[in-house]
Amino acid sequence: DAGITQSPRHKVTETGTPVTLRCHQTENHRYMYWYRQDPGHGLRLIHYSYGVKDTDKGEVSDGYSVSRSKTEDFLLTLESATSSQTSVYFCAISGGLAGGGYNEQFFGPGTRLTVL
Amino acid sequence: QQQVKQSPQSLIVQKGGIPIINCAYENTAFDYFPWYQQFPGKGPALLIAIRPDVSEKKEGRFTISFNKSAKQFSLHIMDSQPGDSATYFCAASSKRGNNDMRFGAGTRLTVKP
Repeated sequence: DAGITQSPRHKVTETGTPVTLRCHQTENHRYMYWYRQDPGHGLRLIHYSYGVKDTDKGEVSDGYSVSRSKTEDFLLTLESATSSQTSVYFCAISGGLAGGGYNEQFFGPGTRLTVL
Repeated sequence: QQQVKQSPQSLIVQKGGIPIINCAYENTAFDYFPWYQQFPGKGPALLIAIRPDVSEKKEGRFTISFNKSAKQFSLHIMDSQPGDSATYFCAASSKRGNNDMRFGAGTRLTVKP
């Protein structure tokens, strides 16, 4: 998985609780992304980062926030989880010197989140 | 509203067959078109990608055909094997969009022995 780890890999939580997912990379890639994957929708971009402390919204950003204080770590926070946020969350990276290209994105193993 | 439309949703072929998965896009700013392969419980893995300056690209048994005027591209898998059974996603992105990648909904491929 191209030097990308995600934690936790599985989480069950209750509606209204805050949740933070972590993505860690060892590839020194500039760009990092958070996607959610739901049946019938493919992968949809939540937020992305183009550098330390530089982030922007994606297609489905409502209810999510992100932070990137170090090159290697990108955090996704659900401030108050809802059942509609039950999904599989993937982190991706791109734009490294040896990454093979600006556009190529490499994905982590995913985090399965269930909100009861 | 999905910017990349993928079909079919599912596909079953016999070993040795040539499954074809199709995608269509709307945004003419897209300039990079990858295909990803995903096995259950794993993250998507980049399989092959094409840019709009070529009409076809082959890597091993996988071929992308690209039709810029029709805004369509497709994945062909030659001599398919049971190990190719997976979900395949097409995608499209543009440098101008800070690499904001849009994915198709996915095709679940089953290759029967």
